[in-house]
Amino acid sequence: DVKVTQSSRYLVKRTGEKVFLECVQDMDHENMFWYRQDPGLGLRLIYFSYDVKMKEKGDIPEGYSVSREKKERFSLILESASTNQTSMYLCASRGGQGAQPQHFGDGTRLSIL
Amino acid sequence: AQKVTQAQTEISVVEKEDVTLDCVYETRDTTYYLFWYKQPPSGELVFLIRRNSFDEQNEISGRYSWNFQKSTSSFNFTITASQVVDSAVYFCALSEPSYNYGQNFVFGPGTRLSVLP
Repeated sequence: DVKVTQSSRYLVKRTGEKVFLECVQDMDHENMFWYRQDPGLGLRLIYFSYDVKMKEKGDIPEGYSVSREKKERFSLILESASTNQTSMYLCASRGGQGAQPQHFGDGTRLSIL
Repeated sequence: AQKVTQAQTEISVVEKEDVTLDCVYETRDTTYYLFWYKQPPSGELVFLIRRNSFDEQNEISGRYSWNFQKSTSSFNFTITASQVVDSAVYFCALSEPSYNYGQNFVFGPGTRLSVLP
């Protein structure tokens, strides 16, 4: 089974802090994704990566950056956290295109105070 | 552009009732893939099923069944004899075999199912 591990289930940070959310997958998948999920807004794609050091903006990249230095790890960075970034963050990986599903981690509930 | 609609925002049923979650999709591709995911209160999205556009056979897995109809662009999910543990948010998703990497995977807005004891 695919295992996607997010570093924290719950995280509390302060406004202005630099925040790192880490995600690791164990299936050698090329593609990795970061989403945020808010009530009534569904899943919104922040960034995705289709290879090491490659990244593409999703629908809501503003205020975020990402890093993929190794194939198994995809990091989401909040450069200067703000209260409107309080949300549930979900990481996913996917082995290829088309028929392949995305596999998700447990999620990180991030609160910015 | 592809699109997935789940018109039911929230559904409540009493345990042992059958319930159907609707999913309607839009795509220009003739080859595509449809998925259902379950998100229990704990938060993790769990992959349930994938369907190919060229295979319209319905699928049954225990109390779960899926009805794929290309003529109406629908991929509905039925839970028979629902249980409290079925309470979750359910997402339908669509994927096209394009070369646009990750942006070819689209989720619907989700349906929150509450099964009451």
